[in-house]
Amino acid sequence: QKEVEQNSGPLSVPEGAIASLNCTYSDRVSQSFFWYRQYSGKSPELIMSIYSNGDKEDGRFTAQLNKASQYVSLLIRDSQPSDSATYLCAVSGGYQKVTFGTGTKLQVIP
Amino acid sequence: NAGVTQTPKFQVLKTGQSMTLQCAQDMNHNSMYWYRQDPGMGLRLIYYSASEGTTDKGEVPNGYNVSRLNKREFSLRLESAAPSQTSVYFCASSEVGTDQYIQYFGAGTRLSVL
Repeated sequence: QKEVEQNSGPLSVPEGAIASLNCTYSDRVSQSFFWYRQYSGKSPELIMSIYSNGDKEDGRFTAQLNKASQYVSLLIRDSQPSDSATYLCAVSGGYQKVTFGTGTKLQVIP
Repeated sequence: NAGVTQTPKFQVLKTGQSMTLQCAQDMNHNSMYWYRQDPGMGLRLIYYSASEGTTDKGEVPNGYNVSRLNKREFSLRLESAAPSQTSVYFCASSEVGTDQYIQYFGAGTRLSVL
């Protein structure tokens, strides 16, 4: 079983819609959770970090964490073509190492 | 403020050749990492260094060696390159504290082994 699982996609949404990206993890002691965005040919860049259960909002982005269900999600409201990228979920158990999922490719259709 | 700088950006090697990928960060971070990224495999940790003077194996260390030269620099060496090491390599750094384990990435090195 992979430690961090994501649907590889592609997830296609129309411009202006809400994109919902999901991630599950296997290590129950995980403490820190991240979403990175990676454009084709570029390096990953942090979109959101979340450390406690519930929702965290930053502009058009909302991260949701449910530790009991070992589930973390990213919502992108008012999706724009510039949001088209691969989104990587990452999880840390607090031992300096971060485990990444394989990423979900998002396509926003104009 | 350059962040994380990797050199070279591109490299082509022949099987059996050796090379060192260089990484430097100017954010005064204690922890540094080397990942490889292959299609469909995501980012996989090769080696990491939690602090100056320490290094530890990650998920895929075979065929690689690392050196934490000082707090700023963390290099990755391929002693005898193999076609299976064709990949994109990313260096990253992070700090424990308010922004726990947030990884800051370099631009990557695209390596082809023929």
